[in-house]
Parts: sequence; C-alpha cells; structure tokens
Amino acid sequence: QITLKESGPTLVKPTQTLTLTCTFSGFSLSTSGVGVGWIRQPPGEAPEWLAVVHWNDANHYRSSLKSRLTVTKDTSKNQVVLTMTNMDPVDTGTYYCAHRQVAFGLGVWGQGTTVTVSS
Amino acid sequence: DIQMTQSPSTLSTSVEDRVSITCRASQSIDSWLAWYQQKPGKAPKILISKASHLESGVPSRFSGSESGTEFTLTISSLQPDDSASYYCQQYHSYPWTFGQGTKVEIK
Repeated sequence: QITLKESGPTLVKPTQTLTLTCTFSGFSLSTSGVGVGWIRQPPGEAPEWLAVVHWNDANHYRSSLKSRLTVTKDTSKNQVVLTMTNMDPVDTGTYYCAHRQVAFGLGVWGQGTTVTVSS
Repeated sequence: DIQMTQSPSTLSTSVEDRVSITCRASQSIDSWLAWYQQKPGKAPKILISKASHLESGVPSRFSGSESGTEFTLTISSLQPDDSASYYCQQYHSYPWTFGQGTKVEIK
C-alpha cells in the first residue's frame, strides 16, 4: 500500500524559506518509472503543480517558480524535500506530495499540509 | 504553458442523472490527461489516467473519453457520494496544468 505524508511548518513569515518533507512508504524512488510530485492549492482554488522528481534524478519545476524551488530526494530515507525561497502571502495554501508512475497521473496523494504566510 | 479549460464550473443535478464534464486543451496532449475528484478538506483522488483508463477501485459509473483536444468525464448515474469538485490535469508536457474545476452538487 502506497502512502505519503507531508510535514513542515504551518506558519512562515514573508521572505522566509519554506522546507517541506514528504515521507512515503510502499514504493521506492529508485524504481524505474516512479516519481513524486508536489502540488499546492490556494484556498478555494484549483490545484497547481509545482515540481516533480523522478527515479532517474530528472527534476522538473513550474517555470514561473523555478528560481524559488528545489526538490531533492533521499532514497534511503524514503523522503522528498521541497524548498521554496522568498515566501509571500500569495503562497498560502495546502501543499501536497503525490506518487506517480510514468504514463499515469498523480495516483496517490498525501493528506496535505496547510501553510500560511503571514508576518 | 498548456491551458486546460474546464466546463461547466458548477453543475446542480439529481441522483441517477447522467453527468458530463468537459476539459479542452489549448494544444495537443495526446491522451495524457487525468481526472480527479476532491471532497472538501481532502486531497484529490485520481479517477482516470490516459484519458480513459479507470484507476483501480474507482466505480464503473465513471468513464473518460476524448476527441482531439476535448476530453470528457462522464458519470453514468450520479450517486450522493459523487458530490465533489472535479479537476482535469494534463501531463503531456511541463508544466503540468489543471483545469479550473467543476463543482457537482446534488439537488
């Protein structure tokens, strides 16, 4: 059974750096075709894809946020870390990580973690 | 970026009705489209991948189809548990993009 869980701060100040960890089980990020994506959802809005890291270290980022985002994987710990710099109140929302298999959508999602950006 | 235009934005209908939600891509995405269901306070749940592949455990009343750059999610007989928001998402090219969503309400 695949499960994922996001963890990190619930409140960050403007200009600070957000670091979120996705801890997963039931799959390995060293298996061919596997990836973990990050998605956020502002309150009352549609989800917005942020980034994805794949088994072969192929990372992709939302172009408008590319300068602020970094995704790294620790295969031995079954974790993926998302870092977003220079946080702004518009970055407030629920952040999800999700498992995907190449050729398929985001198949299993974590429960999400709510992040508020406020001074 | 590929734009995904979803319609309608809201839909109020009755139990056992047939429901269709449409998503139009701004350019060809082949069949690289997924549909998700989201209930309030919960994470999205995948229903369909590759435009028409029903994910494991999803009721057979859900189906997906495509015609060129237009994709349709159909619920053949709406059930009370289907009251939710639905989103399409293309994964043909980066950045992956979602539609604006359709809220399905039960009358």
